This record gives sequence, C-alpha cells and structure tokens, in this order.
Amino acid sequence: EVQLVESGGGLVQPGRSLKLSCAASGFTFSDYNMAWVRQAPKKGLEWVATILYDGSRAYYRDSVEGRFTISRDDAKSTLYLQMDSLRFEDTATYYCATRAGTHWGQGVMVTVSS
Amino acid sequence: DIRMTQSPASLSASLGETVNIECLASEDIYSDLTWYQQKPGKSPHLLIYNANILQNGVPSRFSGSGSGTQYSLKINSLQSEDVATYFCQQYNNYPITFGSGTNLEIK
Repeated sequence: EVQLVESGGGLVQPGRSLKLSCAASGFTFSDYNMAWVRQAPKKGLEWVATILYDGSRAYYRDSVEGRFTISRDDAKSTLYLQMDSLRFEDTATYYCATRAGTHWGQGVMVTVSS
Repeated sequence: DIRMTQSPASLSASLGETVNIECLASEDIYSDLTWYQQKPGKSPHLLIYNANILQNGVPSRFSGSGSGTQYSLKINSLQSEDVATYFCQQYNNYPITFGSGTNLEIK
C-alpha cells in the first residue's frame, strides 16, 4: 500500500524556520517527481514546489522562491521542505504528493503566528 | 502564470442528476489537466488526468473532456458520496496552478 506521511508541522513565529518531512512507502520513491501543495484554512489548493525524480531540478512558486527549499533523500524515501523566513501567509496545511497527483499524504498543519 | 478559471463556485443538484464543472485556462494547456475531488478534512483524490483519462478505481460516472483552453468534468447519476469540492489543475507549465474549486452539494 502506498503511503505518504508528513511530519514536522506546528506553530512558529514569523521570520523563523520549520522543516517538513514526508516519509514514502509502498512504491519506488526514486522513480517519482514529488511535490508540496498547501491549502490555507477554508481556501483552495496552492502548488508550492516540485522536485524531479533524480533531484536534478526543483521548481518553486514565486512567493516561496528563496525562502523554501525542497529536497529528497532517496535512500530514506523521504521528501523534505525547508521553510525559512516564514510569513503569516504561509499558514496552511501542507501536503506531500507525487507530482502527478496519484498519491497524497494526510497533510500537516503549519501555523505562523506571533 | 496560467490562470485557471473554474465555474461554478458552488453547485446544488439532486441525486441521480448530471452535473458539469468547467475550467477555462488563460492559455492553451494542451490537455495537461487534472481533476481532483476533496472531501471535508481529507486530502485531494485524483479523478481524471490528461483531461479525459479516468484514474484507476474511479467510478465511470465521472468523465472529463476538453482541449485547448476549455475543459469540463461531468458527473453522471449523482450519488451522495460525491458531495465534495472539486478542483482542476494545469500542469502544462510552471507554476502549476489550480482552479478555485467547486463546492458540490446535494439538494
């Protein structure tokens, strides 16, 4: 069974950092482009970042470029999102997903508040 | 950025009815379009990809169509379990963008 399990969320002050992890199982993680997608409370879905299957390239939405870093450790079948200089508007549930959208994690809440 | 204009924002229909949800892209996305269903408190669930290919395990009452800039999701014979929010997503170009969602309820 395919599973994606996010962790690392929580309450953080503006300007601080947080690192999300997503542990994958049930499929060959290293074959898949992976993504982070977020959803602010009661709002729609917003793509955050994608990393290619081989880690050769990453793509970011403009509002997180330079602040967030997506990475992967294929030996651990784990996807990461390093979030620096967090802003109030980064408050959301963050989902890890295969880039094609076939599999999603349950989501992890990140709240940026003073 | 490619803008995805989704309509309607909300929809109320009776059991057994057929409903249509539309997505209009701001430029040609060459059928690089996905439809998702999201139930309250749950993660999105893939329904359709490449505009018209039904994901494994998705009931055949769901179908997708369209090309160029205009796409639609059709749900035949509406069931109670179809109550959800539906999103379109284009993946033709970065940044990947979503429609604003359609909240579907039963009358």
